[in-house]
Order: sequence, then structure tokens, then C-alpha cells
Amino acid sequence: AQSVTQPDIHITVSEGASLELRCNYSYGATPYLFWYVQSPGQGLQLLLKYFSGDTLVQGIKGFEAEFKRSQSSFNLRKPSVHWSDAAEYFCAVGARNYGQNFVFGPGTRLSVLP
Amino acid sequence: GAVVSQHPSRVICKSGTSVKIECRSLDFQATTMFWYRQFPKQSLMLMATSNEGSKATYEQGVEKDKFLINHASLTLSTLTVTSAHPEDSSFYICSARDFQGGTEAFFGQGTRLTVV
Repeated sequence: AQSVTQPDIHITVSEGASLELRCNYSYGATPYLFWYVQSPGQGLQLLLKYFSGDTLVQGIKGFEAEFKRSQSSFNLRKPSVHWSDAAEYFCAVGARNYGQNFVFGPGTRLSVLP
Repeated sequence: GAVVSQHPSRVICKSGTSVKIECRSLDFQATTMFWYRQFPKQSLMLMATSNEGSKATYEQGVEKDKFLINHASLTLSTLTVTSAHPEDSSFYICSARDFQGGTEAFFGQGTRLTVV
């Protein structure tokens, strides 16, 4: 069965510090991988996605993620966090078949200290 | 990029009444849309898969008679919460993929339902 784990429920970093949010997945085949961000009471915004090819993908807002097949991981990174990055981050696995839903991880809440 | 519009963004209703939430794909067609529910500080849980022109597929534990789904066109799916109760209060989000080769899911802005 498909599953996504995000080991860190809550992370606090200082503004300007680097950030890494962890994501591990279990999937029968090579999935599509995504990171979404959600501000309180808002919908989801796509940060970046991996389909194939280069395992290091760049996203919006200075985020990047690296797909490591051997570790079944897709960790999200940012070299310097801004206060506006405080939000909930969800890693998701998407099937390549059109009619199948995405499976989301439990989320990691990011707090940023001034 | 593709946009999914969800309406209303917030709704407050009385116990026992019904509420309809709309999910529209604005510049693409979606034969399948998904409805998720999100409890506070939790992740998104799939409720049902909405299929254009046919019955929705519900996840285990989701009452199909309480959460009615209609996908009457390639750009519109609706979720009706019938006889709402306070425990139905939650954040509901829809998503859709472009059926012409779409790989990512686009999400609506969500609907905050409060049943009083």
C-alpha cells in the first residue's frame, strides 16, 4: 500500500538558517513526488514536483528537493529560511495513473524565529 | 497554470441542514476529481473520488448518503453534506488533474465548514 511518512511533526528554525524537511514514501512503482505548502486556513500550493530525470528538483520560493530512490526519500531543503515560510508542509505521492488519488504525509509544521 | 476554484471558502450552517460545496476546474477538464477532508492539525484524508458521469467511489468509513457527490460535467464536481452535524465541521478540499496528460493535482482553496 502507498504511504508517506514525515518524521518531524514540528520544526523550529531561526530566520536565515537552513532547513531540511524529511519525507519517506512506500510505493510499488516509481511515483510522482510532490511537496505542498499550506498556510493556516488556506488551500495547498505546489512547491515542487519530481517525475523523472534529474533527481534534484528546484521549486518556487527558493526550495529544492532531492529524490533518492535507494532511500525512498524526497527531502525538501532551503538554504535560508524567511519568516514567511512558516506554514505546514506536506509531502505527497501521486500515482502515474490518472484516476488515482494522491497520498499525503502527515505534514510538518514549520515555525520561524525572528 | 491550471486553477481549481472551490466555493464557498467558508460556511456556517445549523445542525440538520445541508451544505453544497462546488469544485470547478477553470482551464482544463477533469474526468476525475478528489475530495479530501482535513481535521485541525492533521493531514488530508481522501473521502471520495468523483467520476464524471458515474457514481463516486467512497473511501472506507465515509458515509455516501451523508456526503453526496455529483460530477455532472468535465469541469464541475459538487459535495453536499446532508443533515450536517457539528462533527462534520472540518476543512474540505477538492483536487483535480487535467485528464489530457496532467501529472500534478491542482487544489481548490478549501471550504471551512462550521456546523452549529
